[in-house]
Amino acid sequence: QKEVEQNSGPLSVPEGAIASLNCTYSDRGSQSFFWYRQYSGKSPELIMFIYSNGDKEDGRFTAQLNKASQYVSLLIRDSQPSDSATYLCAVNFAGTASKLTFGTGTRLQVTL
Amino acid sequence: NAGVMQNPRHLVRRRGQEARLRCSPMKGHSHVYWYRQLPEEGLKFMVYLQKENIIDESGMPKERFSAEFPKEGPSILRIQQVVRGDSAAYFCASSPGTRADTQYFGPGTRLTVL
Repeated sequence: QKEVEQNSGPLSVPEGAIASLNCTYSDRGSQSFFWYRQYSGKSPELIMFIYSNGDKEDGRFTAQLNKASQYVSLLIRDSQPSDSATYLCAVNFAGTASKLTFGTGTRLQVTL
Repeated sequence: NAGVMQNPRHLVRRRGQEARLRCSPMKGHSHVYWYRQLPEEGLKFMVYLQKENIIDESGMPKERFSAEFPKEGPSILRIQQVVRGDSAAYFCASSPGTRADTQYFGPGTRLTVL
């Protein structure tokens, strides 16, 4: 069974702090990893994707991938109240064409 | 608007009726995916299509559900004889088919079965 695990939260961080969201996955052969943001009642919005071990930065967001540990994370620097949403980790497992397997998401609350 | 389009945005059906959901991919994208999100649950893959071909339907329920992506026109997800358990948000995503398989989601269709 190919699975993606996330802590459901809520993760509460004060405004301006760094939010750290974590995700583990079950298949070491996986190649593609994605982070989506979903506001309540809305559709998922792609934030970042990462394929290689290490860090990938885009503005206030940094994705980190460690394939040996089967672990991918998302850091949000200078968190803003508008970042409050559910963050979905998605994995394209090897041998599954292009379908994405999603975690259940981590709800982030950025407090004033 | 070059984004993924879905219609209708909201659909209400009575038990036993048919629901037909439409998806037009982003311009330049030839790959379409359908996902379902049940209340308080995660997104679940249903089906992956390219023009006139079903590539992967491993997430589709065996009965009542079908999908197509004709040569012309939008992709259609059809649910026959709907039941209350079909009430959910149905999202379509599209990708250009590059290695990234980066999928961009439409606004979704929220189906309510009475």
